[in-house]
Amino acid sequence: AQSVTQPDIHITVSEGASLELRCNYSYGATPYLFWYVQSPGQGLQLLLKYFSGDTLVQGIKGFEAEFKRSQSSFNLRKPSVHWSDAAEYFCAVGARNNNDMRFGAGTRLTVKP
Amino acid sequence: ETGVTQSPTHLIKTRGQQVTLRCSSQSGHNTVSWYQQALGQGPQFIFQYYREEENGRGNFPPRFSGLQFPNYSSELNVNALELDDSALYLCASSPPGTSGRNEQFFGPGTRLTVL
Repeated sequence: AQSVTQPDIHITVSEGASLELRCNYSYGATPYLFWYVQSPGQGLQLLLKYFSGDTLVQGIKGFEAEFKRSQSSFNLRKPSVHWSDAAEYFCAVGARNNNDMRFGAGTRLTVKP
Repeated sequence: ETGVTQSPTHLIKTRGQQVTLRCSSQSGHNTVSWYQQALGQGPQFIFQYYREEENGRGNFPPRFSGLQFPNYSSELNVNALELDDSALYLCASSPPGTSGRNEQFFGPGTRLTVL
């Protein structure tokens, strides 16, 4: 079965600084990859997804992610972080042969003024 | 367009009791998935319903069961509640033809506390 690792439990960045959140997956074929954001007390909002094709995908709120097959990674980036980006970020992987979507443990982002 | 809604928002139960959580899928969506999110963890897949039939299940015991109705709304039932069942329960719906790609839209969740 597929699995996801988010190596960073908590990241703090200054407002206006760039951001990169790491995600590594394990799956034998090309996976479906997702990044979700969760604000306190809220459900999950999809930021972006990768199914196939161009390995650099653009999402909402100025986020982008790059699929690197050789590194089994799908890192999330944003060139300039805003205070409103403070939240929990989850990477998820879906398989083409089942309906089980696996989530990482999440990375909590704190934004310093 | 109404998104995914869940009820109740919060719930407190005691060990051994039974609970039913409800989910209304987004308009036009025919697939519903349920997830358990323990505090400080990512969501874990419980099961998925498609056309009123269970269509995949995660590593959860049989006391976790579900239903999907003809209008595609869904219920999650948990029997014999245990303290470790305390969590945020998330429902997600998918449009027709995309369940294989897991394009899921999440509701705000139900916070269950078991005392």
